[in-house]
Amino acid sequence: GAVVSQHPSWVICKSGTSVKIECRSLDFQATTMFWYRQFPKQSLMLMATSNEGSKATYEQGVEKDKFLINHASLTLSTLTVTSAHPEDSSFYICSAKGTSNQPQHFGDGTRLSIL
Amino acid sequence: AQSVTQPDIHITVSEGASLELRCNYSYGATPYLFWYVQSPGQGLQLLLKYFSGDTLVQGIKGFEAEFKRSQSSFNLRKPSVHWSDAAEYFCAVGDYGGSQGNLIFGKGTKLSVKP
Repeated sequence: GAVVSQHPSWVICKSGTSVKIECRSLDFQATTMFWYRQFPKQSLMLMATSNEGSKATYEQGVEKDKFLINHASLTLSTLTVTSAHPEDSSFYICSAKGTSNQPQHFGDGTRLSIL
Repeated sequence: AQSVTQPDIHITVSEGASLELRCNYSYGATPYLFWYVQSPGQGLQLLLKYFSGDTLVQGIKGFEAEFKRSQSSFNLRKPSVHWSDAAEYFCAVGDYGGSQGNLIFGKGTKLSVKP
């Protein structure tokens, strides 16, 4: 149980385009979803937290207009990287949790490469 | 300030040998502690968690961890390492009492296993 699916797993696109990453909880209702960014050989950096039906809470230094997060249902959250540039290239990982005492379950990540 | 420290960046052990990965935390409230494992290019998989009760917790894949409040530690152990255990290991601390469950991650310990 507690499976989180993240799609796509790898995307390469041109600078200036927008990229959408999906995060789905397959067998549980995710009241909260998290988006992380991981640089090579580094730990995970929390970008934002989203609760279903409400606006995401962004961490300090994360541009909300750059990284659009939508959590429209209890099983789906999306991260859209708008007007992506090479410096946005990174590994993006989502996680989801259900009730308050449940741990976060992570997707397999998305490798984003901007040319 | 809340933080997680994993003192060892990289550890190499022989297959069949025992393993201990160190984790120290600084957290104002009652900590909820986690160990996650990440294989290259993948998301994070939960190995085990500590919320309350018995301070020695058992996880998947033969891992265990012991919470020592006096030492602010939550070290991960395995009695006999397998080659498939080679991966990056992250310790994390969170507050599930009333928050959304944001996690603070350590910088990770890379485990290499030699035959």
